[in-house]
Parts: sequence; C-alpha cells; structure tokens
Amino acid sequence: GENVEQHPSTLSVQEGDSAVIKCTYSDSASNYFPWYKQELGKRPQLIIDIRSNVGEKKDQRIAVTLNKTAKHFSLHITETQPEDSAVYFCAAEGGSARQLTFGSGTQLTVLP
Amino acid sequence: KAGVTQTPRYLIKTRGQQVTLSCSPISGHRSVSWYQQTPGQGLQFLFEYFSETQRNKGNFPGRFSGRQFSNSRSEMNVSTLELGDSALYLCASSQTPGLSYNEQFFGPGTRLTVL
Repeated sequence: GENVEQHPSTLSVQEGDSAVIKCTYSDSASNYFPWYKQELGKRPQLIIDIRSNVGEKKDQRIAVTLNKTAKHFSLHITETQPEDSAVYFCAAEGGSARQLTFGSGTQLTVLP
Repeated sequence: KAGVTQTPRYLIKTRGQQVTLSCSPISGHRSVSWYQQTPGQGLQFLFEYFSETQRNKGNFPGRFSGRQFSNSRSEMNVSTLELGDSALYLCASSQTPGLSYNEQFFGPGTRLTVL
C-alpha cells in the first residue's frame, strides 16, 4: 500500500519568515495530494490540494509543489503569522481503492 | 450545510469494555472514513464505508469494526478495550469514492480514554 513520510516533525520559525514542510510518497499511481491544518483541539481542515497534472498551486500565502518523478510534494507558507501555528498533515490518494494515506504531521510554531 | 458531526465527544471506559462511536456525514455525502489519531502517530486509517459496505480497511485488529446505515450515518465499535485504544477517533465524509480527488471533511472527533 501507499506510504507517506513527512518531515520535519516539528518546525519553529520567526513571524514573517517562510516555512517549508516536505512529504514523500511511495505509490507512483497516486494522483491527489491534499494538505490539512489541525489547530489545537480542533478538527483537521483542508487548506490546499494539488492534482498530479499540476506542478504548483498557490493560494495567497500558501503554495504546494509536486514532483511526480521524485515522488515528493511540499507545502510552502510565506510571511508566517502566529495563527499559522498548528499541526500540518500531508496526504496522498492513490491505488485502486483511492484511499487517503496521511503523513505523521508537522507541528509548526510561529514565534512572535 | 451542516458539517460532519460525531457523538459522543468524550468517552471514558475501562479495559475490557466495548464502545460504540457515531458519525453523521455532511448531507449528500455517501462515504465515511474513520481514523485513529494518537500523539506522534498521525492519522491512522481504520476503514471506509460507502453504500453500507466496507470499501477499505486499515491494519487494525478485528476488535475494531464498523457499519454504515442507509442514511449514510456510520458507527464504529471497539470491543475488549485496551489501554492503547485511548485516542481521538475522527470520522471524515466525502461525496463518492472512486471519483477523482476524494476531498474529505472531518468531524470534531470523539476523545476516548481507556482506564
């Protein structure tokens, strides 16, 4: 089955700096890669996703890049703010069952 | 549209007991997936139901089971509870699996504590 690895597990940045979280996946048939943000005590919420026919997607301060050849994708957050502090999960959907497999999460802390 | 709801939100049980958790998906969503979330383990997939049938299953023991009703509401059951079953159990609904891009919407979760 699919295996998704996510790095780093924790990340601290100064407010205004950029943050990058990286994920690799194993199933070359995977074709959908969402990112979820989970604030403390809350449910995971989709913040951005990318399809396999696209190399990059941006939404204001958030961007995701996908390299299908290398089987990795990354989340980029620019001009970080304290409210960006949360756990971020990457996921990959693939295989015949089209099941979502999640990475282990990254705790992002934005220091004021 | 109302979001995904889960009941109960908190539950305390003792070892050996069994527990049933409930999930109501977004109206019109026919697929419900269940995940176990523990510190450091991320979101571990339990199973997915669609049209009252289990469509996918993760690597969990047979003590974990589920079902889906005709109105798409789903329940999961854990029998013979163990201390290690303490976790946040999340369900997520999506419109129809098998179509491209299976966007999932999560419920608030049920926090299960096993003493």
